[in-house]
Amino acid sequence: GNSVTQMEGPVTLSEEAFLTINCTYTATGYPSLFWYVQYPGEGLQLLLKATKADDKGSNKGFEATYRKETTSFHLEKGSVQVSDSAVYFCAILPGANSKLTFGKGITLSVRP
Amino acid sequence: GAVVSQHPSWVICKSGTSVKIECRSLDFQATTMFWYRQFPKQSLMLMATSNEGSKATYEQGVEKDKFLINHASLTLSTLTVTSAHPEDSSFYICSARPGSDEQYFGPGTRLTVT
Repeated sequence: GNSVTQMEGPVTLSEEAFLTINCTYTATGYPSLFWYVQYPGEGLQLLLKATKADDKGSNKGFEATYRKETTSFHLEKGSVQVSDSAVYFCAILPGANSKLTFGKGITLSVRP
Repeated sequence: GAVVSQHPSWVICKSGTSVKIECRSLDFQATTMFWYRQFPKQSLMLMATSNEGSKATYEQGVEKDKFLINHASLTLSTLTVTSAHPEDSSFYICSARPGSDEQYFGPGTRLTVT
């Protein structure tokens, strides 16, 4: 079956620290990969995506590279800000018109 | 672009009453809409998938007679929680898909049943 595994949280960092949030997946076929962010009390926003091997998705200073050989899509940011405090979900879409499979999410807290 | 709205953003109702939540895609047509439920500090749980003009497909364990979904048009889907009970209190999130890949999420509706 399809599944997404995210590293255990929560994660607390100081402002301007480097961020890595690990995500690995299992899927049949060739999935599209996503990172979503959820700010307190809100729905999910698409942060970035990648649809084929070695693609790098990027947005707002965040990056993630589709690594087919390691079935991973780790999220990175070089210098986090307090405003990045949120819950981050890794997700896969196994095929067109299929259903998103989410990881459990990880809470990031950035302190000034 | 690609904005999804939900209404209401929060609602409090008494046990035994029914509550309707609307989900609208504001600037695109959604062939498919999804309804999720999220418990505190947990991931999203898919409840059902709906396509315009056809019956919703419910995930295993979701009571279709309790959570009525109507995908009335390409821009509107509604979720009605019938005979609500305190255990139905949750954060309900809809999403809409214009094509085959990206999905756009609404801001969520906080339901509290007293």
